[in-house]
Amino acid sequence: DQQVKQNSPSLSVQEGRISILNCDYTNSMFDYFLWYKKYPAEGPTFLISISSIKDKNEDGRFTVFLNKSAKHLSLHIVPSQPGDSAVYFCAANFARGSTLGRLYFGRGTQLTVWP
Amino acid sequence: ETGVTQSPTHLIKTRGQQVTLRCSSQSGHNTVSWYQQALGQGPQFIFQYYREEENGRGNFPPRFSGLQFPNYSSELNVNALELDDSALYLCASSLDGQGYGYTFGSGTRLTVV
Repeated sequence: DQQVKQNSPSLSVQEGRISILNCDYTNSMFDYFLWYKKYPAEGPTFLISISSIKDKNEDGRFTVFLNKSAKHLSLHIVPSQPGDSAVYFCAANFARGSTLGRLYFGRGTQLTVWP
Repeated sequence: ETGVTQSPTHLIKTRGQQVTLRCSSQSGHNTVSWYQQALGQGPQFIFQYYREEENGRGNFPPRFSGLQFPNYSSELNVNALELDDSALYLCASSLDGQGYGYTFGSGTRLTVV
């Protein structure tokens, strides 16, 4: 039961261009959506999040857009840098109830930024 | 401020054996969650401990069990290992179970042969 889906296993972008990573979800009751970045041999690190009541959140080069009607979110990285090359995980969670704190992850997208 | 540390980093076990993985949570965090990441998959929630009590469990059999200690460190125990248990096991700590506040460790790579 994959409630969070990342359908693109990989993305290759030239340095300086925009990277757009996509994520779909099935449960309309999620309260937060989060993006994590993972380098090899390291744990995932939190990148940016968005509340379900917002449609955009921006932090420096990173912007997350949420389209609730389509149950879709995307992470935009502008401009992309070689150091952004990593696996990006989309995740979602509930803010209350017995599942508080549990993260539901997608399968990840490997982003490669080439010079 | 120390992060989340996990030990060991790599482990090879034989099918049918038992394994214990350890996690030291970040200073100030009282909640620990464990995730299993199989090859090519996203992390899957195993369970969560809050103040030494299990308070959430994913779709994993009872042979996956855990403990949280008074200092909020934690153990994941897996009995009767199966080949499909081969995965990266991630520990994450947070304050009061807030998902956006999770800090992940680097994981333990378990190989079952």
